[in-house]
Amino acid sequence: GQNIDQPTEMTATEGAIVQINCTYQTSGFNGLFWYQQHAGEAPTFLSYNVLDGLEEKGRFSSFLSRSKGYSYLLLKELQMKDSASYLCAVVDSNYQLIWGAGTKLIIKP
Amino acid sequence: ETGVTQTPRHLVMGMTNKKSLKCEQHLGHNAMYWYKQSAKKPLELMFVYNFKEQTENNSVPSRFSPECPNSSHLFLHLHTLQPEDSALYLCASSQTSGGATDTQYFGPGTRLTVL
Repeated sequence: GQNIDQPTEMTATEGAIVQINCTYQTSGFNGLFWYQQHAGEAPTFLSYNVLDGLEEKGRFSSFLSRSKGYSYLLLKELQMKDSASYLCAVVDSNYQLIWGAGTKLIIKP
Repeated sequence: ETGVTQTPRHLVMGMTNKKSLKCEQHLGHNAMYWYKQSAKKPLELMFVYNFKEQTENNSVPSRFSPECPNSSHLFLHLHTLQPEDSALYLCASSQTSGGATDTQYFGPGTRLTVL
């Protein structure tokens, strides 16, 4: 079967750095998405990785290792507004999007 | 209006009611999606429409009936629902659904409660 694993919940401190991991076992791989979803709001696109390595976008970076079936989202200089759920999703060999259950990130002052 | 809008934002209905959820996208996209989001579970893809044609129906019970009159509008008609259908229903759109590598843009969802 196909599976995406993310921690259910994480807590971090304002101003700190946090890394949210995502591991996947899918039939093939055609890319990995990260989305952010604030409570009661729409998921919004953060990043898309298809090649190995780190991609940086401001305070947020996303890393991919296809050989390890692993990705992480790195959030720097955490702000209270970063409190949200972070969803990992993988495009499999049939170009189906397989979603993880999401990681709820709680930021404390 | 910009992006993807959904109405109503909240809906409470009895098991014998009939109601409809509406989604509209203002992005000029050709593909639209319905998802079900339950607490602590992955998003469940329900239906996909590409250029108004349904291209996917992921074994969704017939009490959920989608309708896509044009590329900008998507409806989900609900009838004789069960309490376990209570969830957040998200609509999304993308340029095409030819490959899931297109970024999907989501609406804020309809929080549905079935009594």
